[in-house]
Amino acid sequence: EDKVVQSPLSLVVHEGDTVTLNCSYEVTNFRSLLWYKQEKKAPTFLFMLTSSGIEKKSGRLSSILDKKELFSILNITATQTGDSAIYLCAVESQTGANNLFFGTGTRLTVIP
Amino acid sequence: NAGVMQNPRHLVRRRGQEARLRCSPMKGHSHVYWYRQLPEEGLKFMVYLQKENIIDESGMPKERFSAEFPKEGPSILRIQQVVRGDSAAYFCASSPQGRQKLFFGSGTQLSVL
Repeated sequence: EDKVVQSPLSLVVHEGDTVTLNCSYEVTNFRSLLWYKQEKKAPTFLFMLTSSGIEKKSGRLSSILDKKELFSILNITATQTGDSAIYLCAVESQTGANNLFFGTGTRLTVIP
Repeated sequence: NAGVMQNPRHLVRRRGQEARLRCSPMKGHSHVYWYRQLPEEGLKFMVYLQKENIIDESGMPKERFSAEFPKEGPSILRIQQVVRGDSAAYFCASSPQGRQKLFFGSGTQLSVL
């Protein structure tokens, strides 16, 4: 059964801390892994990863994929209160029309 | 270029009533997906549509739920005879060519009294 597991489920840090969010997966015929940030409502796209070992970076956020060990991490450095959100990991399979599987998310709270 | 538009943002229904949720995809996107999110749970796939066609409805309950994406107008997710367990946030997403990077709407929060 295809599944995506994120950890931790929730995390509380102080501004300026660095956090690492984890996403492990078991998906048939992996195609890509995506990270989304969900604030209040609409998930917004952060990264799409398809190749192992290549870091994607956007400002203070970065992510990397390990296709051998079947996981990805999302790093946020120098966290700010605006980083508080649910971070969703989704994995895309090459098979089937319904081929995007979401994890339950990690709820990050950054306190001043 | 407006994003994915969903309405209403909040919908309150009594048990047994019908709920209609609307989604207008981004301009140029012909692929629409509906997801349901319960508290403390991830997004669960419900249905995938292209214009006038249902591509995959494997995530949608067999009874009371239906979806359409007509040639003209928004995609509609319809829930008949709602029950309390239908209370959730319903998200619509669109993409230009199917899968990969999805653009999400702000969701409709359905509350069934």
